[in-house]
Amino acid sequence: GQQLNQSPQSMFIQEGEDVSMNCTSSSIFNTWLWYKQDPGEGPVLLIALYKAGELTSNGRLTAQFGITRKDSFLNISASIPSDVGIYFCAGLARSGGSNYKLTFGKGTLLTVNP
Amino acid sequence: KAGVTQTPRYLIKTRGQQVTLSCSPISGHRSVSWYQQTPGQGLQFLFEYFSETQRNKGNFPGRFSGRQFSNSRSEMNVSTLELGDSALYLCASSLFPGNTEAFFGQGTRLTVV
Repeated sequence: GQQLNQSPQSMFIQEGEDVSMNCTSSSIFNTWLWYKQDPGEGPVLLIALYKAGELTSNGRLTAQFGITRKDSFLNISASIPSDVGIYFCAGLARSGGSNYKLTFGKGTLLTVNP
Repeated sequence: KAGVTQTPRYLIKTRGQQVTLSCSPISGHRSVSWYQQTPGQGLQFLFEYFSETQRNKGNFPGRFSGRQFSNSRSEMNVSTLELGDSALYLCASSLFPGNTEAFFGQGTRLTVV
């Protein structure tokens, strides 16, 4: 089955630093998604990528859909304490009609020291 | 506009019991997906309902089932609970299946003892 390898598993950084995390897979995806989950909450969609090579920004967040369609990265610039949380990548593979499979990475736990 | 509402937020059950969780999607959303989240396995897709029909299904045993009502509210049921079923169960609502603009609820934390 499809699996996503998300790295790193955790990061401890100082406020103001930039952060980078990525996901790779042996499978091709039609869409890459990046979510953030705060404690006690459900994941919130940060960025959606729909085309190979696409680079999309959302404020201090930038994500790219890899050319091979098998990987994606998320960068956070100038981190702030509220960036703390678990970041998940997810790959969506469509197989015709309304059939699809959404696979999540295991998450990257980000801790920002003020 | 109200978000996705899951009830209850917390639940403690005994092995062998069964449990029913509820999810009310965002108004106008007709697709509801269910996920199991555990520290070891991460987020795993259980199933999705659209227009009262199960449209997609993950790789979970038949003890996990669900349904959707005409008002798009969905329930999932787990029978014969096992310790390994302890998890955060999340539902997500969207306009239609596979829509990337899906919104998650806060989840139901199920503990099986």
